[in-house]
Amino acid sequence: EAQVTQNPRYLITVTGKKLTVTCSQNMNHEYMSWYRQDPGLGLRQIYYSMNVEVTDKGDVPEGYKVSRKEKRNFPLILESPSPNQTSLYFCASRGHGTDTQYFGPGTRLTVL
Amino acid sequence: GDSVTQMEGPVTLSEEAFLTINCTYTATGYPSLFWYVQYPGEGLQLLLKATKADDKGSNKGFEATYRKETTSFHLEKGSVQVSDSAVYFCALGSQTGANNLFFGTGTRLTVIP
Repeated sequence: EAQVTQNPRYLITVTGKKLTVTCSQNMNHEYMSWYRQDPGLGLRQIYYSMNVEVTDKGDVPEGYKVSRKEKRNFPLILESPSPNQTSLYFCASRGHGTDTQYFGPGTRLTVL
Repeated sequence: GDSVTQMEGPVTLSEEAFLTINCTYTATGYPSLFWYVQYPGEGLQLLLKATKADDKGSNKGFEATYRKETTSFHLEKGSVQVSDSAVYFCALGSQTGANNLFFGTGTRLTVIP
């Protein structure tokens, strides 16, 4: 089954404790993105990647890092989480030459 | 820059009622337009899309027409069901290489029996 998976689905952590949210897709897609969803703001792009070792900032990159060492994986790293990063995070992917993005199930992060 | 303005919610309808959720956009050029749906506890799923002016996207009884003259992409369904209760997002595809979708704020629809 074609899908985007994220782990963990739920995470509660404390300020300053480094964490990683994993994202994996099995569709051999070139493009991958991370979004955060906040009430009244819709989804906003954090980072994206156009292929292995090619990443760039989206609209709200501050406080986040990403890497793309393999085509299928695109982890999101919060090196020093803060309460304003409490949000619902989505990973998405799409294939080259298409415009439809496939979303993962989401990761609800709470930073205390 | 590119942006999407979506009808504020929440919207509550009785089963079999007619649904319209308004969406207008600002963009240069000819972006693709999308409606995504988010069911409770799940990620976003593509509901329908349109890639050029006057295209009509349709799926599961939902329709939306790409209107360039009014810069709109309103979502409609003639007869909603309880299972349509979800959050609906209008989105515009980036025309740069940024792999970005510009989303509206989302409209929560609740359908009551």
